[in-house]
Amino acid sequence: NAGVTQTPKFRVLKTGQSMTLLCAQDMNHEYMYWYRQDPGMGLRLIHYSVGEGTTAKGEVPDGYNVSRLKKQNFLLGLESAAPSQTSVYFCASSYGQGREQYFGPGTRLTVT
Amino acid sequence: DQQVKQNSPSLSVQEGRISILNCDYTNSMFDYFLWYKKYPAEGPTFLISISSIKDKNEDGRFTVFLNKSAKHLSLHIVPSQPGDSAVYFCAASAHTNAGKSTFGDGTTLTVKP
Repeated sequence: NAGVTQTPKFRVLKTGQSMTLLCAQDMNHEYMYWYRQDPGMGLRLIHYSVGEGTTAKGEVPDGYNVSRLKKQNFLLGLESAAPSQTSVYFCASSYGQGREQYFGPGTRLTVT
Repeated sequence: DQQVKQNSPSLSVQEGRISILNCDYTNSMFDYFLWYKKYPAEGPTFLISISSIKDKNEDGRFTVFLNKSAKHLSLHIVPSQPGDSAVYFCAASAHTNAGKSTFGDGTTLTVKP
């Protein structure tokens, strides 16, 4: 039982490049989330999903897109990376609405 | 407008003493509250939660207190241990809000041996 895994763990992009972050969970959770954490700040919700095939915008969605084609996977895409997107990205999943979330180890992204 | 606030960025306590971490919220629709613990270079891990129908929940050394009238919750750790040194995040959710949690900025707890 791996829980929540994220790929890759680290990435450096140049401005304008694109990339996809992959999140996978093996707990059969319906809810999945993508957050970013900047220094000295809490977790800010980018996008979330309440089930396979669904996605919705969170607090800071601009510049990101997501897809949830399979229940266990939640992908976060950056179409044209900007330095302001330098951050640590966390994926999480939850079995129920508002209940505890299980987080992945994070992806540290640097955009130069 | 920050709906969940942790006003103390850091807290330092001696091993064996009590640690009290505080959290305030503004949205009266929040009905479920959680605490997460985060070590450097790791994802947050769930610690303890409390529903708005309760005012206290205990789990071993960890107790969360909820004061709905003051829109305030606190996490008590007794006794504190050096391994408790981490960043603690408070989070709140409303059942009307599709399972989304709103997080505070975190409090860094340091427990000195």
